[in-house]
Amino acid sequence: QQQVKQSPQSLIVQKGGISIINCAYENTAFDYFPWYQQFPGKGPALLIAIRPDVSEKKEGRFTISFNKSAKQFSLHIMDSQPGDSATYFCAASHNNNDMRFGAGTRLTVKP
Amino acid sequence: NAGVTQTPKFRVLKTGQSMTLLCAQDMNHEYMYWYRQDPGMGLRLIHYSVGEGTTAKGEVPDGYNVSRLKKQNFLLGLESAAPSQTSVYFCASRTSGGETQYFGPGTRLLVL
Repeated sequence: QQQVKQSPQSLIVQKGGISIINCAYENTAFDYFPWYQQFPGKGPALLIAIRPDVSEKKEGRFTISFNKSAKQFSLHIMDSQPGDSATYFCAASHNNNDMRFGAGTRLTVKP
Repeated sequence: NAGVTQTPKFRVLKTGQSMTLLCAQDMNHEYMYWYRQDPGMGLRLIHYSVGEGTTAKGEVPDGYNVSRLKKQNFLLGLESAAPSQTSVYFCASRTSGGETQYFGPGTRLLVL
């Protein structure tokens, strides 16, 4: 049973548009919520992360929105670019060791 | 500074064979992790280590063993490979005070 549910499985966005990926978790002990970006043939790389004491975190074009009461968090990519085309994974953990990942979202940004 | 490296990059095994995957990091990280990645399932933690000489089970440890004899190396062993272990295996590491896990490039394993 997957502890972190991610949607959509795939997403196609026009260049300049906003990409939104959603995740929901079950375990209220989770206290660290990262997003990873993975290009084909490469390992995942940390994109941005949030802890539950804040509701939003922004780094450049990437924003995490966090709703603790709903146990949901989302990644927003503003002004999406073709170079953003990749697979994105949300994750959640308690103490950053036993990390649970979502199934991934394949994002395609069309020029 | 090579970061996290994994050996081999690709391997084909027959059912019942054994092999060891090597993960090495040159960042002096205390924590190391082994994940497997399967289509539609994201990454799942197999085993991890919080320091030299220590190991712990993750979400899917069955069929795998690990060893951390040196701080910079984390070995993942398959004693008797099964087709269900066909996957891409990723190693990651981080410092004890840091949040970022740094991933290696992966090992693609095919068990026939």
